[in-house]
Amino acid sequence: AQKVTQAQTEISVVEKEDVTLDCVYETRDTTYYLFWYKQPPSGELVFLIRRNSFDEQNEISGRYSWNFQKSTSSFNFTITASQVVDSAVYFCALSEDPNYGQNFVFGPGTRLSVLP
Amino acid sequence: DAGVIQSPRHEVTEMGQEVTLRCKPISGHNSLFWYRQTMMRGLELLIYFNNNVPIDDSGMPEDRFSAKMPNASFSTLKIQPSEPRDSAVYFCASSNRATNEKLFFGSGTQLSVL
Repeated sequence: AQKVTQAQTEISVVEKEDVTLDCVYETRDTTYYLFWYKQPPSGELVFLIRRNSFDEQNEISGRYSWNFQKSTSSFNFTITASQVVDSAVYFCALSEDPNYGQNFVFGPGTRLSVLP
Repeated sequence: DAGVIQSPRHEVTEMGQEVTLRCKPISGHNSLFWYRQTMMRGLELLIYFNNNVPIDDSGMPEDRFSAKMPNASFSTLKIQPSEPRDSAVYFCASSNRATNEKLFFGSGTQLSVL
């Protein structure tokens, strides 16, 4: 069965600090997809990134970067020079890829507070 | 393009009443998901449909919960009778393999059962 663990329940940083959110996953499939979603205080869930299991290249998008390591089953998310607007709950998610459809499993989320 | 549309945004009801939550997925998407979010349990998958067929409803908490997808553009999640512990935010999401398998979420329905 698939499982996503986000060990950090809450993190507080001061603006401009770098912060890394950890994500560890479990799956028996060789083909799967990993995601990060952001849930700001307004409540909606915003897609940030998708990675498939065959693409281990790290990715950078502005102040955001993601480190995918299959050897440790981790998909960590780093925010560089954090800003108050980054305050949100961040969810890591896993989707296996059965032929008949998709199902997503979310981690418990990490609440990030960026203080001015 | 319109996103996933959920209604109502907020629902307040009394224990024992029937509650129906509605969802219109993005046109062309072939998978639809219902999630429940609470402080205690986080985001839980309740049920998902593929091509209007329920694939996995193992997350549905009990018989009081039922979900239907009569066509590709509409789904309902019904709770009958509702209980205070059902209070949560219910999200609907849709996806399509052609859109990189990511989920598009609706804005959620905040349900309060008194």
